[in-house]
Amino acid sequence: DVKVTQSSRYLVKRTGEKVFLECVQDMDHENMFWYRQDPGLGLRLIYFSYDVKMKEKGDIPEGYSVSREKKERFSLILESASTNQTSMYLCASSSVDTGLSYTFGSGTRLTVV
Amino acid sequence: AQSVSQHNHHVILSEAASLELGCNYSYGGTVNLFWYVQYPGQHLQLLLKYFSGDPLVKGIKGFEAEFIKSKFSFNLRKPSVQWSDTAEYFCAVNAQTDGLTFGKGTHLIIQP
Repeated sequence: DVKVTQSSRYLVKRTGEKVFLECVQDMDHENMFWYRQDPGLGLRLIYFSYDVKMKEKGDIPEGYSVSREKKERFSLILESASTNQTSMYLCASSSVDTGLSYTFGSGTRLTVV
Repeated sequence: AQSVSQHNHHVILSEAASLELGCNYSYGGTVNLFWYVQYPGQHLQLLLKYFSGDPLVKGIKGFEAEFIKSKFSFNLRKPSVQWSDTAEYFCAVNAQTDGLTFGKGTHLIIQP
């Protein structure tokens, strides 16, 4: 089974801090994605990547950046955390070989105080 | 740009009732369609998907969905729900290569 692992289940950070959310997948998927999930808003795409060192903006990239130095790892960076970035963050990966179906990680619940 | 609309945000049913969750998308070209489920405290899981061929697709746990191209719809159905179907259900569409676009979700509660 494909595994997508997010390094932290819960995080609490202060306003203005730089925050790193890590995601690792173990099945050589070329595509990786970061979403945030908020009640009543569903999942919204922040950034995605189709290859190493490649990134594309999703629907809500403001206040975020990403890094993909290795194929298996996709990091989401909050440059200066704000309270409106309190959310559940979900990482996903997919591959053409799997019919582009996503496999999701368990999520990181980030609270910015 | 593609978008997805789920008709109901909250649905409450009794066990053994039939279920239909509505999903409409907006995109004029070829799409791939998905339903994902998130059980309480768990990560999102794929329920079923449609890429091409038979518009009636069957997924896990007795769920099925029908793609009706003329209506831009991909409704999820189950003839008889169980208490364990209590979860949040997300419809999603992938029109090109810009990642999946999700609906806002439907919170389904099954009363025993």
